Amino acid sequence: DAGVIQSPRHEVTEMGQEVTLRCKPISGHDYLFWYRQTMMRGLELLIYFNNNVPIDDSGMPEDRFSAKMPNASFSTLKIQPSEPRDSAVYFCASSGGFRGALPSYEQYFGPGTRLTVT
Amino acid sequence: AQKITQTQPGMFVQEKEAVTLDCTYDTSDPSYGLFWYKQPSSGEMIFLIYQGSYDQQNATEGRYSLNFQKARKSANLVISASQLGDSAMYFCAMREGGDYKLSFGAGTTVTVRA
Repeated sequence: DAGVIQSPRHEVTEMGQEVTLRCKPISGHDYLFWYRQTMMRGLELLIYFNNNVPIDDSGMPEDRFSAKMPNASFSTLKIQPSEPRDSAVYFCASSGGFRGALPSYEQYFGPGTRLTVT
Repeated sequence: AQKITQTQPGMFVQEKEAVTLDCTYDTSDPSYGLFWYKQPSSGEMIFLIYQGSYDQQNATEGRYSLNFQKARKSANLVISASQLGDSAMYFCAMREGGDYKLSFGAGTTVTVRA
């Protein structure tokens, strides 16, 4: 079974450009998470969705960031306009299903997108 | 306040020895879960082990075990018989209540020496 798929794996762009990161969660998972990882701030949750609906976007840094989940198998994180301080690794993760009779809370991460904004 | 605290920024361990990574947590919710993830130098985040607050026994997954001490609010990861491939950053994380959102610690770097 395929894991979480992210694209692109690497993105280099110039300040001011629009950046779109893409994610395909594990089939059957109904939660999807976007994280950002930097040396300074560690791993930060940006936003998460349940059944394609945004539940908590309190971690989204500012209006330049937006995320959508148009269907159960696809999500995007967009940065417009991008700035050098947005340089980071962006992870998508998904969760769902059951462990026996109980919910399974484990999150499975994609390989990440390394974003560099010059 | 920090929900997850990992006080060891880096550790060295000899191959084939066991290593314990510390994690303390802070929550007032009686229902919560604790996770450990591994991040090798290649960058991916790998789920290792999970412990629910109501689980009666400490979780184990192969060479990984979680030393869960509820009264002390600690959830230490024990890696037995360390291998060179265990060299990585290890993150402790927690969810609270019915929430699927995770709070992560700062991580501990483990270096296994031959």
